Amino acid sequence: RKEVEQDPGPFNVPEGATVAFNCTYSNSASQSFFWYRQDCRKEPKLLMSVYSSGNEDGRFTAQLNRASQYISLLIRDSKLSDSATYLCVVNNNNDMRFGAGTRLTVKP
Amino acid sequence: DGGITQSPKYLFRKEGQNVTLSCEQNLNHDAMYWYRQDPGQGLRLIYYSQIVNDFQKGDIAEGYSVSREKKESFPLTVTSAQKNPTAFYLCASQGWNTGELFFGEGSRLTVL
Repeated sequence: RKEVEQDPGPFNVPEGATVAFNCTYSNSASQSFFWYRQDCRKEPKLLMSVYSSGNEDGRFTAQLNRASQYISLLIRDSKLSDSATYLCVVNNNNDMRFGAGTRLTVKP
Repeated sequence: DGGITQSPKYLFRKEGQNVTLSCEQNLNHDAMYWYRQDPGQGLRLIYYSQIVNDFQKGDIAEGYSVSREKKESFPLTVTSAQKNPTAFYLCASQGWNTGELFFGEGSRLTVL
């Protein structure tokens, strides 16, 4: 089993749609969690950290479920500029592991 | 400006040659990482270093070597033992407060 697993997609949604991604992790001792965004042929950039209590940043909401060992990302009111690959990252004692990414395309 | 600098951005090499990719940071971060990304794939960990003069293998360390003689620098050597080295290589350092990874712009290596 991979340490971090994501549905690769692609997710093709119309503008204004709400879309959700999940990511599961295998190491129950993992300490911190992140969502990164990667545009084509570019480096990943931090979208948001994921806190135990859940957190929201504008149209983006991240949640952590430690019991079931998954994290989620919800994007509301999708914009064309949200088209990218979304990577979840799991930190276990500074061993930072990435999921394979979920590709999102938002269409007019 | 503070950040991570990788060089070269593009590199071509012949089979059987070693090549070293540079990664420098001026963020005063202790931990640094090297990842490899193949087209349409996620990032796979090659090596990471939590402190000067110390580093650990990631999932795909075979055919690669690193050094960490200075806090600011974490070069990666792709040796001739790496069977399929053509890929996008990403270096990152980790913020000590948030744990966030800060990436360089990457180095694209093509083996001819």
